[in-house]
Amino acid sequence: GENVEQHPSTLSVQEGDSAVIKCTYSDSASNYFPWYKQELGKRPQLIIDIRSNVGEKKDQRIAVTLNKTAKHFSLHITETQPEDSAVYFCAALYSSASKIIFGSGTRLSIRP
Amino acid sequence: GAGVSQSPRYKVAKRGQDVALRCDPISGHVSLFWYQQALGQGPEFLTYFQNEAQLDKSGLPSDRFFAERPEGSVSTLKIQRTQQEDSAVYLCASSLARLAGSYEQYFGPGTRLTVT
Repeated sequence: GENVEQHPSTLSVQEGDSAVIKCTYSDSASNYFPWYKQELGKRPQLIIDIRSNVGEKKDQRIAVTLNKTAKHFSLHITETQPEDSAVYFCAALYSSASKIIFGSGTRLSIRP
Repeated sequence: GAGVSQSPRYKVAKRGQDVALRCDPISGHVSLFWYQQALGQGPEFLTYFQNEAQLDKSGLPSDRFFAERPEGSVSTLKIQRTQQEDSAVYLCASSLARLAGSYEQYFGPGTRLTVT
């Protein structure tokens, strides 16, 4: 069925270190993979996305990689800063429908 | 330009009451989505509109949930005879158009529904 698994559920890193969040998806036909950042009490904000014809995409300190064969994709945040603390959600567009299925989220905490 | 807006931001309903939640998408966005987000969880898909057509309602948890978008712009999610398990944040998102190759969804602030 339609499923997106996300790990870890919580992640604490020292300020300035890197953080990596990993996701897997089940529909091999999925072709769009967004990442959202959600601060407490706020709406999810799209921070980066990747399409299936690309293996990696970078935007300043944020990068996403996609392995279509293994159905894995990952978010990498480098030089973490306190304002990076939030819950991060990966998601996948299921091509059989127009729905985006979200992972269960990763609570990222940046230690000063 | 203005983003997605939702109203009310907070709603407290007694069990058994009906509620109506409104979403104003970004102007010109063809696609509109409703999600339910329980505390500590990711958003869960409820339903999807393309213009006024409801193309997918597979995520609606029961027949007490009903959504409409009669003129292809503003949408309303209605929950009849609310139950405590309906307590959640209801998020609306809009997207330019999947057919145009634009998949990015932009979320509203959500309506936090508490059923007592």
